[in-house]
Amino acid sequence: AQSVTQLGSHVSVSEGALVLLRCNYSSSVPPYLFWYVQYPNQGLQLLLKYTSAATLVKGINGFEAEFKKSETSFHLTKPSAHMSDAAEYFCAVSWSSGDKLTFGTGTRLAVRP
Amino acid sequence: EADIYQTPRYLVIGTGKKITLECSQTMGHDKMYWYQQDPGMELHLIHYSYGVNSTEKGDLSSESTVSRIRTEHFPLTLESARPSHTSQYLCASSARVQYGYTFGSGTRLTVV
Repeated sequence: AQSVTQLGSHVSVSEGALVLLRCNYSSSVPPYLFWYVQYPNQGLQLLLKYTSAATLVKGINGFEAEFKKSETSFHLTKPSAHMSDAAEYFCAVSWSSGDKLTFGTGTRLAVRP
Repeated sequence: EADIYQTPRYLVIGTGKKITLECSQTMGHDKMYWYQQDPGMELHLIHYSYGVNSTEKGDLSSESTVSRIRTEHFPLTLESARPSHTSQYLCASSARVQYGYTFGSGTRLTVV
């Protein structure tokens, strides 16, 4: 079965440090790829999405993600973490236009002062 | 500005009560979804709809039911609430999956 894996349920970084949240998917077929952020007691907000136009995708709040077909990965990065980045981050994948999104299990990002 | 609305945001209710969680969207999306999420946990799809009068059960079995009489409205009902139903319920909609989903702010349900 096709799946999406987020390595690391908890990631902690210092303020100003690089943020790297990992996402891998199981199929070699290029999927639709998304990153969402969820703040406490809120719904999910779309950070960015891969539309096949460019492998490096820029999103809101300074985040970006790179689609690497050979590695079946779509890792999320931000050069310098801010305290306000502390939240839960979900990677999501769909393998066809008629399918639903499959969400990863989420990564909680903590930012230390 | 939210285009998908969930009410109530918070609900505390006694065991055995019937409840309806409301979800409405103003974007004209055909596809709508309900997810259940325990605190700090992954999302579980419990219901979805691809249009009026079309509803399907999701990956996680749920005692709740849904209806889709109007495109913009996708309410979720629990006939008899139990403490095991305590969770956050998230509603989402989309036009096409490649555009992603738009989520509501969620309803946090506590059954006492």
